[in-house]
Amino acid sequence: AQSVSQHNHHVILSEAASLELGCNYSYGGTVNLFWYVQYPGQHLQLLLKYFSGDPLVKGIKGFEAEFIKSKFSFNLRKPSVQWSDTAEYFCAVTRNTGKLIFGQGTTLQVKP
Amino acid sequence: NAGVMQNPRHLVRRRGQEARLRCSPMKGHSHVYWYRQLPEEGLKFMVYLQKENIIDESGMPKERFSAEFPKEGPSILRIQQVVRGDSAAYFCASSPQGDGNQPQHFGDGTRLSIL
Repeated sequence: AQSVSQHNHHVILSEAASLELGCNYSYGGTVNLFWYVQYPGQHLQLLLKYFSGDPLVKGIKGFEAEFIKSKFSFNLRKPSVQWSDTAEYFCAVTRNTGKLIFGQGTTLQVKP
Repeated sequence: NAGVMQNPRHLVRRRGQEARLRCSPMKGHSHVYWYRQLPEEGLKFMVYLQKENIIDESGMPKERFSAEFPKEGPSILRIQQVVRGDSAAYFCASSPQGDGNQPQHFGDGTRLSIL
């Protein structure tokens, strides 16, 4: 079945550690890729998106993601996390209708 | 302020009652999407609407659930005869286009609890 998979369900890091969250999708053809973040009790906010062009995408708050077409992956990275990055992170894909297909989400807990 | 307004933020219903969730998209957005987030799960697409039209309802349960987006007023997600399994967070998102080439903006969600 076509899907979006996030490998890590729960990640615990200390401040200043580096972060990489995995995301793979199984759709063929052209896709648009997104990472959203949901801070506790808040709505989803867009971190970054990839539509075309440079496969290394920079987003807000120091996050970046790399689209690797051959691996069907769109992993999220941040060199040095902060306590305020504690949140749930969702990878998502759209095709031509705009509906988002989400991964299961990854809960990131950053210890001060 | 996300721009997409959902109300109520919290809704409590008893089994068998009806739940109505409202969503006003961002100004200038005519495409509305509803998603459901069950406990310990990711968001699942339910329905995609444009003004007065349902474009894609492939994620809607076959019974008890309906959605509309009238010419005037907010989009409504309606759940009839609610059951415990309907307890979830329901998120609305809007977009200026429906082709996937614009990111969606999300509301704060409605947390539905069924007693």
